[in-house]
Amino acid sequence: QKEVEQDPGPLSVPEGAIVSLNCTYSNSAFQYFMWYRQYSRKGPELLMYTYSSGNKEDGRFTAQVDKSSKYISLFIRDSQPSDSATYLCAMSINAGGTSYGKLTFGQGTILTVHP
Amino acid sequence: NAGVTQTPKFQVLKTGQSMTLQCAQDMNHEYMSWYRQDPGMGLRLIHYSVGAGITDQGEVPNGYNVSRSTTEDFPLRLLSAAPSQTSVYFCASRRGANLGYGYTFGSGTRLTVV
Repeated sequence: QKEVEQDPGPLSVPEGAIVSLNCTYSNSAFQYFMWYRQYSRKGPELLMYTYSSGNKEDGRFTAQVDKSSKYISLFIRDSQPSDSATYLCAMSINAGGTSYGKLTFGQGTILTVHP
Repeated sequence: NAGVTQTPKFQVLKTGQSMTLQCAQDMNHEYMSWYRQDPGMGLRLIHYSVGAGITDQGEVPNGYNVSRSTTEDFPLRLLSAAPSQTSVYFCASRRGANLGYGYTFGSGTRLTVV
């Protein structure tokens, strides 16, 4: 069983829809949670970063972490065609320092937003 | 700033050949790492470095070597290429210990081993 599970999709929605992307994990030691966005033929870029449980909002994006259920989500409101990309969740036990803050990634969800 | 530059962008190798994937960053980042991305597997850490002269193994290090003689460069060497190493390779750097800084990724090297 993978430490981090993510539905690979693909997910196809009309422009303006609310998108929900999810990951589950098995290691309760994870404390730092991230969402990366990856456009086709590009490297991933950090979209959202949260520590421990709770919500974080940034414009049209909201990240939620529920550590009791070992479940994280990314919501995209008023989705746009420019949001079409692969979304990867990532998590870490620690932030860095001498142990580097190794990230464990989900498999990625392919999202297409149709005009 | 160029960010993280990876060369080559595409490469085809024959089984048993060796090669070096180049990675350079111009942001003076301490942390650098190499990941491979395979369908259905996400990104997996191969090797990483927390500064010049310091490297360590990640999740899937077998068949790969790294060195970090300068802050800017972090090459990945394939010792004897195997078809299982067919993948997209990403180099990434991070400013410091805080994960909130985020990794800056290169655009990747697409490697096929035949």
